[in-house]
Amino acid sequence: TQLLEQSPQFLSIQEGENLTVYCNSSSVFSSLQWYRQEPGEGPVLLVTVVTGGEVKKLKRLTFQFGDARKDSSLHITAAQPGDTGLYLCAGEGGNTPLVFGKGTRLSVIA
Amino acid sequence: DAGVIQSPRHEVTEMGQEVTLRCKPISGHDYLFWYRQTMMRGLELLIYFNNNVPIDDSGMPEDRFSAKMPNASFSTLKIQPSEPRDSAVYFCASSFRSDTQYFGPGTRLTVL
Repeated sequence: TQLLEQSPQFLSIQEGENLTVYCNSSSVFSSLQWYRQEPGEGPVLLVTVVTGGEVKKLKRLTFQFGDARKDSSLHITAAQPGDTGLYLCAGEGGNTPLVFGKGTRLSVIA
Repeated sequence: DAGVIQSPRHEVTEMGQEVTLRCKPISGHDYLFWYRQTMMRGLELLIYFNNNVPIDDSGMPEDRFSAKMPNASFSTLKIQPSEPRDSAVYFCASSFRSDTQYFGPGTRLTVL
């Protein structure tokens, strides 16, 4: 069974601070996705990374896929209250459906 | 464009009652997924369909759970009889060719 461990589980920071959250596994994934989920809504896809070592930027968010395609990180620069939410990573491995981590719950305080 | 539609948004029922959750996927999508989300276990895949055919139901927790997809625009997840430990948020998601999954707003189920 492929498992994704996300850390930290909870994170509370002040507006303007930088942060990094992590997604780790002992399994290799063909691609990895990051989602953000806001209260009362379903997860929304932010980005998909496919190539080992790949870095993608989405405004103040930077996503990196590990060289071995077993781990990923999400870095947020100058966090805003609008970044508050549950960040989920999900790995895809060949013919298996997406496997989700339990998420990092981020709270950005104004 | 309408996204994935789920109903009801909230359901409160008593233990032993039958619960039916409904989902309308995005038009043209050929994959449909049912997930359950709890604080303890996170987001778990229950079952998924491709072209209305169930492909993998290994995530369905017990025989009390069943899912159907009679046509490309409608799916149901039924729990009978319901138990308090079934309380969770149930999400439906759809995708085209197993690409990006689009999630519905979820149904929050409380079994008393």
